[in-house]
Amino acid sequence: AQSVAQPEDQVNVAEGNPLTVKCTYSVSGNPYLFWYVQYPNRGLQFLLKYITGDNLVKGSYGFEAEFNKSQTSFHLKKPSALVSDSALYFCAVNYGNMLTFGGGTRLMVKP
Amino acid sequence: EAQVTQNPRYLITVTGKKLTVTCSQNMNHEYMSWYRQDPGLGLRQIYYSMNVEVTDKGDVPEGYKVSRKEKRNFPLILESPSPNQTSLYFCASSPTGGAPDEQYFGPGTRLTVT
Repeated sequence: AQSVAQPEDQVNVAEGNPLTVKCTYSVSGNPYLFWYVQYPNRGLQFLLKYITGDNLVKGSYGFEAEFNKSQTSFHLKKPSALVSDSALYFCAVNYGNMLTFGGGTRLMVKP
Repeated sequence: EAQVTQNPRYLITVTGKKLTVTCSQNMNHEYMSWYRQDPGLGLRQIYYSMNVEVTDKGDVPEGYKVSRKEKRNFPLILESPSPNQTSLYFCASSPTGGAPDEQYFGPGTRLTVT
């Protein structure tokens, strides 16, 4: 069975600084990895995904993620954080027909 | 506008009183799914459907039922709700259900069972 771990419940960063939200996964075979974002009182929105190919994936709102097969990680990054990036972020792995989510990381960007 | 809609958005009910949460999508997606979100646990998949009349259990199906009689609708049924089903529920859809597809989520239904 697949699993996803997000080791940090919350990440705090100052506006303008780079941010990283960590994710590690466990799945047999080749993973399909996703990041979703949830703003208050809203459903989840898709940010980016890794299917195959280039290990650096670019997504919406200036976010990117780096797939590292040897470390089984898929960390979310952004070079310069905005206050409006403050939200709940979920990493997920899709294997077969099911999507498995990590516990979520709350990102707080302070002015 | 392409979207997934859920009704109701908020629901307070009592133990044992049957309820249905509706989900509808207007994107002609084949795949639909239900999740529950609980603090610290992320989202857990309850049931999913690859197409009309095809449904399968997710990770936490106990106490829930679903049906897929039409492509656009995927209702979630709680025959006898219990307090441990108090949660935030999300419906989602994707074009084919294949692993590479991203999912489109509804706005959520907050259910409280007393």
